[in-house]
Amino acid sequence: ELKVEQNPLFLSMQEGKNYTIYCNYSTTSDRLYWYRQDPGKSLESLFVLLSNGAVKQEGRLMASLDTKARLSTLHITAAVHDLSATYFCAVVRDDKIIFGKGTRLHILP
Amino acid sequence: DAGITQSPRHKVTETGTPVTLRCHQTENHRYMYWYRQDPGHGLRLIHYSYGVKDTDKGEVSDGYSVSRSKTEDFLLTLESATSSQTSVYFCAIRDGLDAEQFFGPGTRLTVL
Repeated sequence: ELKVEQNPLFLSMQEGKNYTIYCNYSTTSDRLYWYRQDPGKSLESLFVLLSNGAVKQEGRLMASLDTKARLSTLHITAAVHDLSATYFCAVVRDDKIIFGKGTRLHILP
Repeated sequence: DAGITQSPRHKVTETGTPVTLRCHQTENHRYMYWYRQDPGHGLRLIHYSYGVKDTDKGEVSDGYSVSRSKTEDFLLTLESATSSQTSVYFCAIRDGLDAEQFFGPGTRLTVL
């Protein structure tokens, strides 16, 4: 059974700081998604990682995938308040897409 | 928005009544998914479809059934709603195995 764990589940950080969210999963997969969700809204696709060693960057966010370690990271550089949201990773195995519980990110001015 | 709509957007119902939620897409995506979102649990996969009349169970399928009689519609049915099924339900679509997954706006269901 595929399990996906994110940590931390809650993160409060100062503007301008760097931090990393971790996503571990339990079985073989080489495809992983990252999403952002604002309160009361639907999910917005951020990154699609399709192979071992894949790295994608958009603005202050950078995601990477290590399939051997079954680990993906979402790195935040010089955080700004607008990045406050909940971030989810989701692992693809066959036709199923299984989500982590999410990391609620609160960025303090 | 990838042409995904969900209906209704909000529903309040009573325990024991049947409820059907509809997901409609306009772009012939092959894969469709139903998730529920609850505080502390993230999103959990209920059922998914990989083509017309082709469906399979997800993580939390008990108490739910689905049907997909045409490409554009994926229906989620709660045969006899219970209070534990109070949740926000999201539909999602995907084109292929390496494609992005896009989400609908969600349906907030309250079972009293």
